[in-house]
Order: sequence, then structure tokens, then C-alpha cells
Amino acid sequence: EAGVTQFPSHSVIEKGQTVTLRCDPISGHDNLYWYRRVMGKEIKFLLHFVKESKQDESGMPNNRFLAERTGGTYSTLKVQPAELEDSGVYFCASSPLGGMVYEQYFGPGTRLTVT
Amino acid sequence: AQRVTQPEKLLSVFKGAPVELKCNYSYSGSPELFWYVQYSRQRLQLLLRHISRESIKGFTADLNKGETSFHLKKPFAQEEDSAMYYCALSIPILTGGGNKLTFGTGTQLKVEL
Repeated sequence: EAGVTQFPSHSVIEKGQTVTLRCDPISGHDNLYWYRRVMGKEIKFLLHFVKESKQDESGMPNNRFLAERTGGTYSTLKVQPAELEDSGVYFCASSPLGGMVYEQYFGPGTRLTVT
Repeated sequence: AQRVTQPEKLLSVFKGAPVELKCNYSYSGSPELFWYVQYSRQRLQLLLRHISRESIKGFTADLNKGETSFHLKKPFAQEEDSAMYYCALSIPILTGGGNKLTFGTGTQLKVEL
């Protein structure tokens, strides 16, 4: 079974540019999460999708970040325009739907560097 | 607000020595706690969850609600245990189900020969 995949693995952009990160969850996983770890800080929740619907986007830093999950399959996270403080590792995770607490399966992360 | 604290950034032990990675949490609800591990050049993966009360790779963790702790322990460290360990608190997302994780800052465990 293929795990969660993320693309690209590493992105270097200049301040003010736009970057789009992609996440492909495990097939059949309706829950999809985005997290971020900035240098020296903890991994922080950004938002959560169930299928194509955003359920909780309380962790999104500001309106420069836009996440979508059209069709309920893969998700994209766009940063526009990027700022220096957006540098970090962006993780995607997925899990099946259910009433219990389920394990989240993480992707390898995308390392974003804004110069 | 919920919070997870891992006081040690780095823990260095000798092979065969006992290991204890500390984790304390703050949460007003009923806590669901996990330990995640990230080995070098690998992705973050679940090590164990408190509700399962299981031992994985020789590691155990007991939830102590009185002390609000969920320390990770192993009686005899192995070289392959060297990794970054994250304690995480699961918060239910009320709309639509699912749960979001609040992580500690992580502890790098280094097992020396």
C-alpha cells in the first residue's frame, strides 16, 4: 500500500513568490490534515479536510495560505505571496473516517525555504 | 489551551541503559496521547498510543492524569532507538470527526555504544 506522498520534497523560492504544495493521501482516507514545523518550533496543526470539505482551519496562519481538496482526493496548499517566516517543513497526514481516535499517517514533508 | 511539553531537546544514553523521555500535557478534556517517532531520513510514524496500553519495540508509556504526564520508557536502549521522539495530544474536531494533534517540540534520543 502506498503511503502519503508529498510534492515537491524541497522548494526554494524568493519572498513574494507563490508556491503550491501537493499532498496525496492514502487511498480511501477521507481525513486529510496539514501541519507545519518552523525552525526550532513544534509541529503545528494547520487545517483538516473531510473529503473535500474543510472542517477546521483554525491553525492557518493568515490569508496568504489557501488549501483546497477538490474532489476529495489530493490536496494543495498554496502560499501567496510567500514571506520569510513561512520557511519550514510542511507535513500532510491522512486517516480513515470513524468515531474513534485513529492513527494519522504522515507524508515525508515538503521543506520550504523562502529567501 | 492545550499544550504538550517535552523538556529535553536532546537525551544521550549508552546502549543498554534505561531510557525515559519526558512528556507533560495540559488539557481540560479527557486526554488521548501518542508518541510519534522519526528515524533519520524517514517519515514521522506512530510509535504507541496510550489507549492501547501496548509495548512497541520495548517502549511503554503510561498516562498519569494526576501528574499530567505520559513519559516514554524503555529498560534497555538499543542503537537503533536513536531518533527524534514527539509526544502528541489528540484533540477531537467536533465538526465532521477527525482529530488534530498538538505536538511537543520533540526530544532527540542518541544511543551511544
